[in-house]
Amino acid sequence: QLQLHESGPGLVKPSETLSLTCSVSGDSVTSSFYYWGWVRQSPGKGLEWIATIYYTGSTYYHPSLKSRVTMSIDTSKNLFSLRLRSVSAADTAVYFCGRIVYSDYYFDSWGQGTLVTVSS
Amino acid sequence: QSALTQPASVSGSPGQSITISCTGTSNDVGYYNYVSWYQQHPGKAPQLIIYDVSHRPSGISTRFSGSKSGNTASLTISGLQADDEAAYYCSSYTSTSAPWVFGGGTKLTVL
Repeated sequence: QLQLHESGPGLVKPSETLSLTCSVSGDSVTSSFYYWGWVRQSPGKGLEWIATIYYTGSTYYHPSLKSRVTMSIDTSKNLFSLRLRSVSAADTAVYFCGRIVYSDYYFDSWGQGTLVTVSS
Repeated sequence: QSALTQPASVSGSPGQSITISCTGTSNDVGYYNYVSWYQQHPGKAPQLIIYDVSHRPSGISTRFSGSKSGNTASLTISGLQADDEAAYYCSSYTSTSAPWVFGGGTKLTVL
């Protein structure tokens, strides 16, 4: 059974870098049938797509975050990661990782989410 | 990149049916049959309930159905139950620089 688990610091200082990892069990991040992605949800707000990666290393980033975000994949550890630089209070959110069906572009499985607060 | 447009809230009584709309453009909902819907209870992760406009994943009740007409997709929930009270989000693949886009979400209240 597929499980995704986000991990990382729950508190990040303004201007620093937010780093999260999503550990995958029950599937391989090298599967050609899926993308892997990140979505965030600011307090009381809706879902916002952040970034997506394919096992080949191809990446897709939200245009408004593209200058600050990097997504990577670690096939040896079966996980993928998100780095968001120069964070501000506006980046405070619950961050979800998910698996995306390659042929149909929908998130078929999600992690439980991790709250990241940006504050000094 | 604009989010897809959903009503902020809808409500219905147990046993009734409700429909939530999701309006996009010819770059997303209107062009691709890659519309999906997610249910999110407070404090929980989203859960896929509809993919490819009208397909239900295994284990999802037949009370949930999806459709599309032009640039607008719709989610219908029939026979409303108390546990249906949640937020619902639509999503679509897009041909713009941001391939994935979500709607703003609709809060469903079961009266």
